[in-house]
This record gives sequence, structure tokens and C-alpha cells, in this order.
Amino acid sequence: NAGVTQTPKFRVLKTGQSMTLLCAQDMNHEYMYWYRQDPGMGLRLIHYSVGEGTTAKGEVPDGYNVSRLKKQNFLLGLESAAPSQTSVYFCASSYLDRASNGYTFGSGTRLTVV
Amino acid sequence: AQSVSQHNHHVILSEAASLELGCNYSYGGTVNLFWYVQYPGQHLQLLLKYFSGDPLVKGIKGFEAEFIKSKFSFNLRKPSVQWSDTAEYFCAVNSLGANNLFFGTGTRLTVIP
Repeated sequence: NAGVTQTPKFRVLKTGQSMTLLCAQDMNHEYMYWYRQDPGMGLRLIHYSVGEGTTAKGEVPDGYNVSRLKKQNFLLGLESAAPSQTSVYFCASSYLDRASNGYTFGSGTRLTVV
Repeated sequence: AQSVSQHNHHVILSEAASLELGCNYSYGGTVNLFWYVQYPGQHLQLLLKYFSGDPLVKGIKGFEAEFIKSKFSFNLRKPSVQWSDTAEYFCAVNSLGANNLFFGTGTRLTVIP
């Protein structure tokens, strides 16, 4: 009963490098989300997906891209990392009815860009 | 635009003290309300949620929250906190028709043994 799994858990990047964060869920959830968590700012939505093959922008999408090629996976990409992207990234998923049932969160990825 | 305000940034209590964390939201329509807890080094977990009906909802670990529509508030309460309640608490709102939750900035609770 894995729920939502994020990989990697930690990563250090140099400015300008690229990377992809993987989120996988085994609950057959339709909706998946990527948030970033920064001190004093709570969680801010980067991108989300309401189903396989669909993605949409959240509050802070700049500098990130996403893909949802398979229902169970939601990838977050950083094409050219910047120090401002140092953060903890959380993936979440929810069942059909938008977010009204609440989310199931992954354990997070701590990213440092130097 | 929706927003969620948590005015208490850091609350420090002694064990057995009572807790109330404030949460106010700005949205005039139908909302679903949530409280999440994040223990140190862990991911967010659902504490309780309100959809409709009785405005006083009970969650896990003795927590409860009251929805007061006229005040746009959903405050979290616990009569007697324990050291293990030390965590960060996030209020979140989902408005009807929205695809995601809006989170507050969080309140860090420290319980002193």
C-alpha cells in the first residue's frame, strides 16, 4: 500500500542543470498535483493534472514543466535550475471529485540549487 | 481570488494546555475545508475535513474544528495538547468547481513537555 511515492528524496543541483522529479501513485487517482513548500509561504501549487494526458498551470508555474503520460505518474521538470527553485517539492493526488476528498501527499523531495 | 489566512505563525504551549489555531478564508461560495498536519520531516497528513452538515467536525488524535460561515473561519482546537502534537498545521480550502486546494501559510506548534 504505497500511496504516493516521490523520487528522489534529496537532490543538489548546480545553477543551469536540469532534472526531473517523479511522482507515482497506486490509488487510481485522477487528479495529481505538484506543490512547493517554502518557509513562511506554505504550499504553492506549481502545476496539476486532472487526468492522463492533461496538465494545467497553478500559482507558480514559471521555470517548471510537467507531463502526465500515464495515469499513475506525474513528472515535474526543471529545464534550467535556479537558486530560487531551492525548495521542498510535494506531489499529491486525489480521487475524481476535484480536491473535495482531500489529498494524499508524497513524502517530498528536498531540492537545493547552488 | 481565494486566500487562506493563518494569523498564528508560531504557537508555543505547555503540555495539557488547550489549543486553538485560527484559519480564515476569503471566498463567498460553497467551500470544503481541511486541516492538515505535518510532523517534523514528514509529509502532510489529513487531520480533519468539513464538507457540509454539522459545523463542528472531529478529526484524529482528539482534534476538532468549527466552521463558522458568517466569520469565514475554520479554527482548529484541541482541549489538551501533548508533546507529540508538535508539528506544523495547515488550513486548506477547496471551493466548489475548483480543481485544487488553497493552503494557508501554516502554523508551527511547539509543545513543551
